[in-house]
Amino acid sequence: DAGVIQSPRHEVTEMGQEVTLRCKPISGHDYLFWYRQTMMRGLELLIYFNNNVPIDDSGMPEDRFSAKMPNASFSTLKIQPSEPRDSAVYFCASSSSNRGPRGYTFGSGTRLTVV
Amino acid sequence: QQQVKQSPQSLIVQKGGISIINCAYENTAFDYFPWYQQFPGKGPALLIAIRPDVSEKKEGRFTISFNKSAKQFSLHIMDSQPGDSATYFCAASMSSSNTGKLIFGQGTTLQVKP
Repeated sequence: DAGVIQSPRHEVTEMGQEVTLRCKPISGHDYLFWYRQTMMRGLELLIYFNNNVPIDDSGMPEDRFSAKMPNASFSTLKIQPSEPRDSAVYFCASSSSNRGPRGYTFGSGTRLTVV
Repeated sequence: QQQVKQSPQSLIVQKGGISIINCAYENTAFDYFPWYQQFPGKGPALLIAIRPDVSEKKEGRFTISFNKSAKQFSLHIMDSQPGDSATYFCAASMSSSNTGKLIFGQGTTLQVKP
């Protein structure tokens, strides 16, 4: 298995622009998580899905952030409009309800810089 | 009650020394406690994990010590090597919830000096 695949690896954008981050979970995993990592706040859970349905989005910082999972093999995290304080590394992770937390696997992340 | 508190924030150890990172939790329903290791430019990866029915688990140079009554657990890295330099996260989960959702600590940046 190729693992959790995120794209792009790096994104530099200007303030006010729309940014879309992409994630392909491990095949067969029914949970998908979006995290944001910063030096100040560590790993923050933004939102997670089960069987493509959003379960908990309480970590989404503002209405500027939105996430979708149109099918079992693809999810997006969108920021519109982007702001410099959104600069961070965004991780996607997936897991299987069969294995529970033991099967939790992260992607390599997308480093977002908003200038 | 959902928090996991991790300390220290950063740690510098000489090669061959012992690195110790501590975590504390509040929710007694947590029953799975993994440690993740993250190298620069990579996502966190599972290093070692423990369940509360044992007080210690060892895998090579890495040991988790678990104190259920104190609601604390720690990672010990024996004979620390420069290649161990990374960020370490503790985490906790309720396996009964079946979500696989992990609550992470703030992370500890470890630097092992040659």
